[in-house]
Amino acid sequence: EPEVTQTPSHQVTQMGQEVILRCVPISNHLYFYWYRQILGQKVEFLVSFYNNEISEKSEIFDDQFSVERPDGSNFTLKIRSTKLEDSAMYFCASIISSYNEQFFGPGTRLTVL
Amino acid sequence: AQKVTQAQTEISVVEKEDVTLDCVYETRDTTYYLFWYKQPPSGELVFLIRRNSFDEQNEISGRYSWNFQKSTSSFNFTITASQVVDSAVYFCALSEASGGFKTIFGAGTRLFVKA
Repeated sequence: EPEVTQTPSHQVTQMGQEVILRCVPISNHLYFYWYRQILGQKVEFLVSFYNNEISEKSEIFDDQFSVERPDGSNFTLKIRSTKLEDSAMYFCASIISSYNEQFFGPGTRLTVL
Repeated sequence: AQKVTQAQTEISVVEKEDVTLDCVYETRDTTYYLFWYKQPPSGELVFLIRRNSFDEQNEISGRYSWNFQKSTSSFNFTITASQVVDSAVYFCALSEASGGFKTIFGAGTRLFVKA
């Protein structure tokens, strides 16, 4: 069964460093999403991406964040200068069309020290 | 604006008890989807069910059942004869056509099932 994959599963970084979280969506999917879950809290929408551009972003998704689909298979989330409060689980999701179920990846746990 | 409320923060039951997790949603859309996800301690989101707004039929899958009532904007989830392996956080979620089908999650209900 096709699945969304994310790498790494766990990343530890120092405050102020740049991190790139990688996702490989299901191959024929067209819509891509990033979500964030701070430990013990709910899952929050960050950004949606379609047709090589951001279609919607939340208030959380400030100038420190960017997304890219560099090669037609990967979908990345970059945090330019990490803060302690960026420590969270980051989930990638994709769907084939807007009327279908989102498939979530297993998540990347980001720890900022 | 879309919103999902899970009023129960934590529920603790003894194995073999039935338990119902409540979910109330708000939306102005006529086309939307409702979901339940399970999040075990390992952290991944496990998809349990999706219902669209045009299908109010209740569903049963093994020990799991879901009651969708548009009249009360509720989508409740019942586990029958709970087991220790059911211990997890359960999230109810909503996606709307007008919201680009992004998923909005409730705060989650942590279920403890004791042996």
